[in-house]
Amino acid sequence: EVQLVESGGGLVQPGGSLRLSCVASGFTFNNFWRSWLRQAPGKRLEWVAHISQDGRETYYVDSVQGRFTISRDNAKNLLYLQMNSLRVEDAAVYYCASWGVVGGIDKNYWGQGTRVTVSS
Amino acid sequence: DVVVTQSPLSLPVTLGQPASISCRSSQSLVFSDGSTCLYWFQQRPGQSPRRLIYKVSNRDSGVPDRFSGSGSGTDFTLNISRVEAEDVGVYYCMQYVHWPHTFGPGTKLEI
Repeated sequence: EVQLVESGGGLVQPGGSLRLSCVASGFTFNNFWRSWLRQAPGKRLEWVAHISQDGRETYYVDSVQGRFTISRDNAKNLLYLQMNSLRVEDAAVYYCASWGVVGGIDKNYWGQGTRVTVSS
Repeated sequence: DVVVTQSPLSLPVTLGQPASISCRSSQSLVFSDGSTCLYWFQQRPGQSPRRLIYKVSNRDSGVPDRFSGSGSGTDFTLNISRVEAEDVGVYYCMQYVHWPHTFGPGTKLEI
């Protein structure tokens, strides 16, 4: 069974940092684009950051550019999101997701999410 | 950013009856290779999103054939031919041709 499991969420003060991790099992995602998305209470889903298969291309939504860094370790099937200078508006459930093609068929996988709370 | 809108935002339905959700984007979602970059997701209560449809009309593995997607350019539709109790949740469309990829506000389907 393919699983993505996020960890690293929690309560942090404004201006603080957190590092989210997403470990994959049951499948190797080296050939997949991988992403972090978030969902604040009562708000629509938001794509936060995106990284190419080899990690050379990264994209960020404007609101996190310069504060968040997405990275991956293909040898360990891991995805990371380093979040610095956190703001109250960054509070959300953060999901990791993977996007790719297997046997000519588009595939997409999501984790169960990890909650980030930013509050003093 | 590309603005994605959905209607209705709330959709009360009767079991066994059809349902339809509309999605519109502020820009064309046609990619340079001619494909159209629109997904539909389902998020059941308390669960992560699950993709149902990719490239407008292709069902993901395991998605019942009562779900279908259609549309082109900037106007798209998700249809459920006969609603079942397990379909309760919020449905999102999402464009992925322009960065940042953007979601619609969601349509809450309830019985």
